[in-house]
Amino acid sequence: QKEVEQDPGPLSVPEGAIVSLNCTYSNSAFQYFMWYRQYSRKGPELLMYTYSSGNKEDGRFTAQVDKSSKYISLFIRDSQPSDSATYLCAMLTQGGSEKLVFGKGTKLTVNP
Amino acid sequence: DAGVTQSPTHLIKTRGQQVTLRCSPKSGHDTVSWYQQALGQGPQFIFQYYEEEERQRGNFPDRFSGHQFPNYSSELNVNALLLGDSALYLCASSSLSLGGYTFGSGTRLTVV
Repeated sequence: QKEVEQDPGPLSVPEGAIVSLNCTYSNSAFQYFMWYRQYSRKGPELLMYTYSSGNKEDGRFTAQVDKSSKYISLFIRDSQPSDSATYLCAMLTQGGSEKLVFGKGTKLTVNP
Repeated sequence: DAGVTQSPTHLIKTRGQQVTLRCSPKSGHDTVSWYQQALGQGPQFIFQYYEEEERQRGNFPDRFSGHQFPNYSSELNVNALLLGDSALYLCASSSLSLGGYTFGSGTRLTVV
């Protein structure tokens, strides 16, 4: 079993839709949870960062962590064509510069 | 403020050859990590350098080696290239204590 599981999609939605992206994990030691956005031919860029369980909101983006279920989610409200990218979840057991463990990524297309 | 710079952007090599990829970290960062991202997969951790020493290593063979220079820049070397080494190689810099990964745009290596 992989440490982090993520449905690779692809996911295609109309502009303005609410998008839900999810990851599950098996390592209960993970404490830091991140969502990265990766445009084609680019490196990942950090979108959201959450420590332990709970919700975090930043504009149209909401990240949720449920450690009891080992499940994390990213919601995108009022999705835009510019949101079309691959979304990667990533996790750390400790802060600082410990190695990131990534999911496979979900490819999202938002159609105008 | 320059982010993480990687060179070259693209590279084509023949099986059995050797390759060197280069990375200049973001200003203020002292730690460099390398990741391999195969097509349709999430990045996989190769190794991390801090103070010119390999600090952590992922599940990659000894054909993968690296180096960090006194100015914090880094090189990734891969010997005896295999077709399966074809991937996007990402460099991420960070502060050892604070984290804060920043990724470069990567080097796309194709082995033929």
